[in-house]
Amino acid sequence: DQQVKQNSPSLSVQEGRISILNCDYTNSMFDYFLWYKKYPAEGPTFLISISSIKDKNEDGRFTVFLNKSAKHLSLHIVPSQPGDSAVYFCAASLPYNTNAGKSTFGDGTTLTVKP
Amino acid sequence: NAGVTQTPKFRVLKTGQSMTLLCAQDMNHEYMYWYRQDPGMGLRLIHYSVGEGTTAKGEVPDGYNVSRLKKQNFLLGLESAAPSQTSVYFCASDAGAWNQPQHFGDGTRLSIL
Repeated sequence: DQQVKQNSPSLSVQEGRISILNCDYTNSMFDYFLWYKKYPAEGPTFLISISSIKDKNEDGRFTVFLNKSAKHLSLHIVPSQPGDSAVYFCAASLPYNTNAGKSTFGDGTTLTVKP
Repeated sequence: NAGVTQTPKFRVLKTGQSMTLLCAQDMNHEYMYWYRQDPGMGLRLIHYSVGEGTTAKGEVPDGYNVSRLKKQNFLLGLESAAPSQTSVYFCASDAGAWNQPQHFGDGTRLSIL
């Protein structure tokens, strides 16, 4: 049973428009959520995160929204740039004392930003 | 400013051969992880370590062994490689604090023929 799901394998947007990447989870015990970005032939790099006590976290062009009742989070990129083209992974973590820091990852969404 | 370094970057093995993948981090991180990523799939945890001398099984541990003899190194071993182990392997580390993200290496592409 996949606990973290990214239902859209790919997303294509025009440069300058908004990109919205979605992630759903099933385990209500998850209390920390992260987004990672991955370019080809490189490892994932941390992008932005949010604690379960918040519903929004913003960092420059990137904003993550958390809807705990719906067990849903989304990553908004505004405005989108061609350099944002990458695979985006959603990850979720249980409370640290129960999980030793392990994160559960979604399958990723490939974002393509067209010039 | 190396971060997490994985060796080798590419390798081709024949079925039944053995090999060891090396991960080294220079951030003094307590926790280290090994993942595999297959096409169209996310990262699946193989084994992890919460400190020097400790290891634990992740989601997909069968066919792999690990060792953490030094804090900065985490080794992943394949004793008898199988074609199903063809994958991209990522090592990661973090400080072990609640809200710290993982830092990843650039991966090892392993093909088993």
